[in-house]
Amino acid sequence: DGGITQSPKYLFRKEGQNVTLSCEQNLNHDAMYWYRQDPGQGLRLIYYSQIVNDFQKGDIAEGYSVSREKKESFPLTVTSAQKNPTAFYLCASSIEITGELFFGEGSRLTVL
Amino acid sequence: AQSVTQPDIHITVSEGASLELRCNYSYGATPYLFWYVQSPGQGLQLLLKYFSGDTLVQGIKGFEAEFKRSQSSFNLRKPSVHWSDAAEYFCAAPNYGGSQGNLIFGKGTKLSVKP
Repeated sequence: DGGITQSPKYLFRKEGQNVTLSCEQNLNHDAMYWYRQDPGQGLRLIYYSQIVNDFQKGDIAEGYSVSREKKESFPLTVTSAQKNPTAFYLCASSIEITGELFFGEGSRLTVL
Repeated sequence: AQSVTQPDIHITVSEGASLELRCNYSYGATPYLFWYVQSPGQGLQLLLKYFSGDTLVQGIKGFEAEFKRSQSSFNLRKPSVHWSDAAEYFCAAPNYGGSQGNLIFGKGTKLSVKP
């Protein structure tokens, strides 16, 4: 079945450590996105990519980095510069930039 | 600026009762509109979408939504709520510009269902 796979589902990190969240899609979508979700704040866009080797910052990109070396993959690195990284992270993809979003199951990051 | 507003943060209904979740948008032209549902600890699933044509849209799980241009609304409805409908619901519309990617989301409405 086509879809978006995020891993790991749960991740614990010590303060000061970088961590990378994986996002893989087999939907052949050009555009991919990373959102952060905190209780009561809805979805906030971290980064998005419309095409391979290109990506743009969203509203809350500080402390995060991404790469888009392959169409299928859009990993997110949460760096030690992110002051409050504990959150639920959602990856999504779409056929085109104004189209319907398809979401992964999410990754919950907890900083100890 | 474009915006999507969900006025209700939390709604509680009894099982079997009808449901209406509100969504208002602010756009210059008729936008595409979406409703998503999220169960705890899960990703978002598309319930239904409006692109054009018939203003009453049918979705999965017995949900429907009606686009009303005069009220700038796209409210989600279900005639009889089931306990499994307890979840958070998000309304969304395209972002024509800005740094918010392709869709702007409302803050969400959490639905609780009483037995």
